Amino acid sequence: DQQVKQNSPSLSVQEGRISILNCDYTNSMFDYFLWYKKYPAEGPTFLISISSIKDKNEDGRFTVFLNKSAKHLSLHIVPSQPGDSAVYFCAANTGGFKTIFGAGTRLFVKA
Amino acid sequence: NAGVMQNPRHLVRRRGQEARLRCSPMKGHSHVYWYRQLPEEGLKFMVYLQKENIIDESGMPKERFSAEFPKEGPSILRIQQVVRGDSAAYFCASSPRDSPVYGYTFGSGTRLTVV
Repeated sequence: DQQVKQNSPSLSVQEGRISILNCDYTNSMFDYFLWYKKYPAEGPTFLISISSIKDKNEDGRFTVFLNKSAKHLSLHIVPSQPGDSAVYFCAANTGGFKTIFGAGTRLFVKA
Repeated sequence: NAGVMQNPRHLVRRRGQEARLRCSPMKGHSHVYWYRQLPEEGLKFMVYLQKENIIDESGMPKERFSAEFPKEGPSILRIQQVVRGDSAAYFCASSPRDSPVYGYTFGSGTRLTVV
């Protein structure tokens, strides 16, 4: 039962351009959505979150957009930097403790 | 503040042995979560604990797996009679409260290999 889906296993972007990572979900009860970044041999690191009552949240180069009617969210990174190369996980929860993660998208930022 | 500490980083066990994975949450964090990542897959929720209590273990296999978070000491994820399918990266995370907005702090994981 895959409630959070990241359909693109990988994405390649030129340095300085925008990276757009997409995520779809099926559970309309989700209250919060989060993005995590993971480097090899390390644990995931929390990046940014958004409440279901908002449609946009921005933090520096990172912006998350939420489209509730489409059950879709996206993470925009602009400008992309080589250090952004990592696996990005989309996650969601219903306001409680059980966070559901997607399978991840591997981002490559080429210099 | 050393963050979430997991040990060992790598653990090799033969089929049928026991695996013990340890997690020390960040100082001041009383909520601990265990996740498992199988190769090429995302993180799967296993169990959520607060001090001395298991709050939700719905993601944990009913047999061979157990978790605890005692009053003193680290949280332990225990896998008895390991099988090859248990090979995975096991991540522990902690948070100061049950607040989804701020995200969890994850440890670096324990990579379990069953041979």
